Amino acid sequence: AQSVTQLGSHVSVSEGALVLLRCNYSSSVPPYLFWYVQYPNQGLQLLLKYTTGATLVKGINGFEAEFKKSETSFHLTKPSAHMSDAAEYFCAVSESGGFQKLVFGTGTRLLVSP
Amino acid sequence: KAGVTQTPRYLIKTRGQQVTLSCSPISGHRSVSWYQQTPGQGLQFLFEYFSETQRNKGNFPGRFSGRQFSNSRSEMNVSTLELGDSALYLCASSFGPEAFFGQGTRLTVV
Repeated sequence: AQSVTQLGSHVSVSEGALVLLRCNYSSSVPPYLFWYVQYPNQGLQLLLKYTTGATLVKGINGFEAEFKKSETSFHLTKPSAHMSDAAEYFCAVSESGGFQKLVFGTGTRLLVSP
Repeated sequence: KAGVTQTPRYLIKTRGQQVTLSCSPISGHRSVSWYQQTPGQGLQFLFEYFSETQRNKGNFPGRFSGRQFSNSRSEMNVSTLELGDSALYLCASSFGPEAFFGQGTRLTVV
């Protein structure tokens, strides 16, 4: 079975500071990994994905993540936080080549202070 | 290209009633999946449909059901509503590995 662990239910940063949101996964088969963002009363927006190939993936709004198989991690980073980045972020895993079923982490709420 | 459309956005139902939620996927996407989001349980997979067939199902009681039509539009139904069914129900459509989500339907059971 697959699972995702997101360390820290809340992360606070100052505007302009580095954003680091942690995600570790467990999967018995090669995984597909995703980061989604959710604003209040909205659906989920895909930030970036890892399927195969380059382990450093770039997404929208300046976010990027690195797939580290040895550490079973897929941490999300952004060099400089903006007030508009305040939202909830979800890491998710699915089986490569499998049916469309995402297993989500519990989410990390990012707070950005001026 | 239009995104995933879910209707209605908000619903209030009484315990014991049933409800049907609708999802129109992105044009060309044949896979539609449904998720329930609650503060206590987080995001949980309900089921996935592809070409009108249910391919995968999560651990939900039989009161939760769905279907997909030939145009890939999907509906989910919850019968005999319970207070605990209050949640944000999200639909996602897929063509490849990534899923694109709609805005969700907020169901409140009173």
